[in-house]
Amino acid sequence: AQSVTQLDSQVPVFEEAPVELRCNYSSSVSVYLFWYVQYPNQGLQLLLKYLSVSTLVKGINGFEAEFNKSQTSFHLRKPSVHISDTAEYFCAVSDDSGGYQKVTFGTGTKLQVIP
Amino acid sequence: EAGVAQSPRYKIIEKRQSVAFWCNPISGHATLYWYQQILGQGPKLLIQFQNNGVVDDSQLPKDRFSAERLKGVDSTLKIQPAKLEDSAVYLCASSFWGSPKETQYFGPGTRLLVL
Repeated sequence: AQSVTQLDSQVPVFEEAPVELRCNYSSSVSVYLFWYVQYPNQGLQLLLKYLSVSTLVKGINGFEAEFNKSQTSFHLRKPSVHISDTAEYFCAVSDDSGGYQKVTFGTGTKLQVIP
Repeated sequence: EAGVAQSPRYKIIEKRQSVAFWCNPISGHATLYWYQQILGQGPKLLIQFQNNGVVDDSQLPKDRFSAERLKGVDSTLKIQPAKLEDSAVYLCASSFWGSPKETQYFGPGTRLLVL
């Protein structure tokens, strides 16, 4: 069974400061990892995804994430946040075990950017 | 390219009433997902269709929830009768084929309040 843990439910950060949102996963097989962002009253949209190619993945809006197999982590980072980054961020895991996509989402981290 | 469409955007009903949600996925996408997102939690998969067949409905409360995708395009999710704990956002998503590596594209969601 696969699972995802997002350790921080809320992360406040000042504008132009760096931020890291933490995600740990568990799975018995090879995994694919995703970060989705949800702006208020909207659906989720993909920020970036890890597909077992490069451990450092770059996404949209200046975000990047690093896959660490030994620590079973996939933390999301941005060197300088903007007000517009205020949103909820979800880490998700999918694997090859079932032959079709079954995604498990974390509980989300609310990023609050303070002017 | 048009995104995933959902309607209605908001719905308020009394407990024990019935309600239906509609979703039209991105054109050409074979896989359609219905998620339930309770406040403060990540999306939870209710049902997944591949064309008009059900791939996974293990977390669908079948005594009250039903879903169909008759022609392999748009889909309807129904709740009958509704309970207070069904208050949530219902998200529809689609992907091209449903392989484990694929991005899911989400609609804006339907926010349901059961009184």
